[in-house]
Amino acid sequence: NAGVTQTPKFQVLKTGQSMTLQCAQDMNHNSMYWYRQDPGMGLRLIYYSASEGTTDKGEVPNGYNVSRLNKREFSLRLESAAPSQTSVYFCASSPPTTYEQYFGPGTRLTVT
Amino acid sequence: GDSVTQMEGPVTLSEEAFLTINCTYTATGYPSLFWYVQYPGEGLQLLLKATKADDKGSNKGFEATYRKETTSFHLEKGSVQVSDSAVYFCALSASLGDPYKYIFGTGTRLKVLA
Repeated sequence: NAGVTQTPKFQVLKTGQSMTLQCAQDMNHNSMYWYRQDPGMGLRLIYYSASEGTTDKGEVPNGYNVSRLNKREFSLRLESAAPSQTSVYFCASSPPTTYEQYFGPGTRLTVT
Repeated sequence: GDSVTQMEGPVTLSEEAFLTINCTYTATGYPSLFWYVQYPGEGLQLLLKATKADDKGSNKGFEATYRKETTSFHLEKGSVQVSDSAVYFCALSASLGDPYKYIFGTGTRLKVLA
């Protein structure tokens, strides 16, 4: 099992450009999450999907959209990137009832 | 609202020293508590967890006990190794409201010197 995979690993964007971060899991988990990690701030939840077909806002959803394409895949889209979105983005998934989260390796995004 | 407070780092120890990383929480109800570890350049990995008061989670020599009376979940290890150098995150999953919304602490960086 690959676990949680994310693409790309690194990305540089100019202000105003758009891009989609991809995430997939092969553990048959119901729930998936997108976080951003910034120095001194820990991880902050952007969006999550408790199950296929549902998505909900987390702590910092502004400037982002998500799509739960199927049970395996959960993508994060930046429509018009801003320097404040420079961060490391992590995708995670969790099985039902235990709420343990399994993380991908992250995408380091720089917006200039 | 719910929150997690961790001791600030970095924490620098010599190999074989005793480790404590403090974590306290504020939550309504009875949250589940977790410690995650992040090695350089990687995602977070679950280190241990506890789901109810007085539970002790343990893994790889690390331990933490869910103390409801002091709302704490301190991470301990009796003898650290250089390979334990990483960032450690305390987190909770709320029992009331939405359990999917983890609250993470800000992380504590541990550096172990040989």
